[in-house]
Amino acid sequence: DAKTTQPNSMESNEEEPVHLPCNHSTISGTDYIHWYRQLPSQGPEYVIHGLTSNVNNRMASLAIAEDRKSSTLILHRATLRDAAVYYCILYPGAWNAGNMLTFGGGTRLMVKP
Amino acid sequence: DTGVSQDPRHKITKRGQNVTFRCDPISEHNRLYWYRQTLGQGPEFLTYFQNEAQLEKSRLLSDRFSAERPKGSFSTLEIQRTEQGDSAMYLCASSDGSGGTNEKLFFGSGTQLSVL
Repeated sequence: DAKTTQPNSMESNEEEPVHLPCNHSTISGTDYIHWYRQLPSQGPEYVIHGLTSNVNNRMASLAIAEDRKSSTLILHRATLRDAAVYYCILYPGAWNAGNMLTFGGGTRLMVKP
Repeated sequence: DTGVSQDPRHKITKRGQNVTFRCDPISEHNRLYWYRQTLGQGPEFLTYFQNEAQLEKSRLLSDRFSAERPKGSFSTLEIQRTEQGDSAMYLCASSDGSGGTNEKLFFGSGTQLSVL
């Protein structure tokens, strides 16, 4: 199974941009890059996903390296509510019953006021 | 749409007792997942339902664990003869199954189990 590597923790100041890196050097050509985050005492929530092109939504932006071996989740202006564990997950392009979201350890983001 | 609902939020039990958790998915979501999460770790997949059919079970799901989804709506996860190692957060998620590569899971807030 293709795996991801993320820093255990990162710190950011409120109102500043945050770049959360993810390495996935063994990614296959059909793997999508999904990001979820887990706020304290909550279940994970979907943030964003992409294949090759950079993606933007109301929550964040996803920048994908040209060789797809790494990606970066960008929070444009961190707020205290963004303090969470962020998970970078490779999801096979062909969905079938054997392809489940497999979570790693994630990055714990701390936001300082 | 009230999201994925799990009950109870917290459960404390003594070793050897049986416990049952309930998950109500988002209405009309045909896929339902159970995950388990221990402190400081990411969620681990346990089992998955497509409608009422249980299609996938992790090796983590020992014989003491059983999950059901009668009529393809709510689901229950039962743990028999609980052990201290069963202490964890049990998360339920659902999806509408239409997304393929855009599959998005919606998680509940989980049931925190403590086995004394």
